[in-house]
Amino acid sequence: DVKVTQSSRYLVKRTGEKVFLECVQDMDHENMFWYRQDPGLGLRLIYFSYDVKMKEKGDIPEGYSVSREKKERFSLILESASTNQTSMYLCATVAGGYYEQYFGPGTRLTVT
Amino acid sequence: GENVEQHPSTLSVQEGDSAVIKCTYSDSASNYFPWYKQELGKGPQLIIDIRSNVGEKKDQRIAVTLNKTAKHFSLHITETQPEDSAVYFCAATPRAGGGADGLTFGKGTHLIIQP
Repeated sequence: DVKVTQSSRYLVKRTGEKVFLECVQDMDHENMFWYRQDPGLGLRLIYFSYDVKMKEKGDIPEGYSVSREKKERFSLILESASTNQTSMYLCATVAGGYYEQYFGPGTRLTVT
Repeated sequence: GENVEQHPSTLSVQEGDSAVIKCTYSDSASNYFPWYKQELGKGPQLIIDIRSNVGEKKDQRIAVTLNKTAKHFSLHITETQPEDSAVYFCAATPRAGGGADGLTFGKGTHLIIQP
């Protein structure tokens, strides 16, 4: 079974703080993704990565950056957290050449 | 870019009845259409998917149909059970790159199974 883990289930941060959300997968998948999920808006793609040190912008990259130093680990960075970044953040992976995305359990981030 | 519309936002059905959730998409290049189920406190889980060279796919009580001409696809759940209660999301690929390029999701349908 594919396992995707996220560093925290719940996180509370203050406005202006730098926030790191980490995702780790154990299946040697090439592709990794960060989505945010908001009520009534569904899931929206923030950034994705095809391989180590590679990154691509998704549909809503503003205010975020990412880092992929190792194949199994994909980090989402909020350089200066703002209240409108309060959301559920979901990480996903997919094997190269395949379609099915496997999701982690999510991190619910609250910025006060 | 791709835009996916999903209806209804909430669907309440009696246990044992059928449920149908519909989605439309805008990008004719999309070629992969998965459906995800999300239970409370968990990440979305793939339940069924269909590719553009297939019109219908079935897996036990769930089925998906695709009409590429009309750019819409639907999820059908028959003989609904309490454990089917969840939020369901449809999705499409924004580009022909398949799953590697990320998915565009609908806004979700909260399915409620009434006992």
